[in-house]
Amino acid sequence: DVKVTQSSRYLVKRTGEKVFLECVQDMDHENMFWYRQDPGLGLRLIYFSYDVKMKEKGDIPEGYSVSREKKERFSLILESASTNQTSMYLCASTKEAAYNQPQHFGDGTRLSIL
Amino acid sequence: AQTVTQSQPEMSVQEAETVTLSCTYDTSESNYYLFWYKQPPSRQMILVIRQEAYKQQNATENRFSVNFQKAAKSFSLKISDSQLGDTAMYFCAFMKPPNLIPLVFGKGTRLSVIA
Repeated sequence: DVKVTQSSRYLVKRTGEKVFLECVQDMDHENMFWYRQDPGLGLRLIYFSYDVKMKEKGDIPEGYSVSREKKERFSLILESASTNQTSMYLCASTKEAAYNQPQHFGDGTRLSIL
Repeated sequence: AQTVTQSQPEMSVQEAETVTLSCTYDTSESNYYLFWYKQPPSRQMILVIRQEAYKQQNATENRFSVNFQKAAKSFSLKISDSQLGDTAMYFCAFMKPPNLIPLVFGKGTRLSVIA
């Protein structure tokens, strides 16, 4: 089974801090995604990557950056955390050209910015 | 741009009954994929069922089935014999090939199965 592991289930940080959310997948998937999930808004795509060192902006990239130095790891970075970035963050991965295959999700990181 | 609309923010159903969750989408594409994902409380999001647009036959997975109406751009999920474990957020999602284009999700429907 594909395993997508997010480094923290719960995280509390302070306004202005630089925050790193880590995601690792163990199935050699090319594509990795970061979503933000908020009540009433569903899942919104922040960034995605289809190869090492490649990144593409999603729908809401402002205030975020990403890093993909290795194929299995996709990091989401909050450059200067703000309270409006308090949310659930979901990482997902999928195989290249497997558009009829499901995305595999991690358990999520519930991030609180105080 | 594609959009996915789930018009029912919350629903409830009695155990053993049948419930239908609605999803509509907007696209000018002829070939695409549709998905229903389930997110149980405090648990991982998982795929429930998927439908390929060029297939006319509705997909079925055990108690879960879809009513795919391509002309109407409708993709509803029917859950038969509802169980307490079906309590979850359900998200409808759209994907257009090639795979570089990520999923577009609806806002979700919170389903509660009541004993």
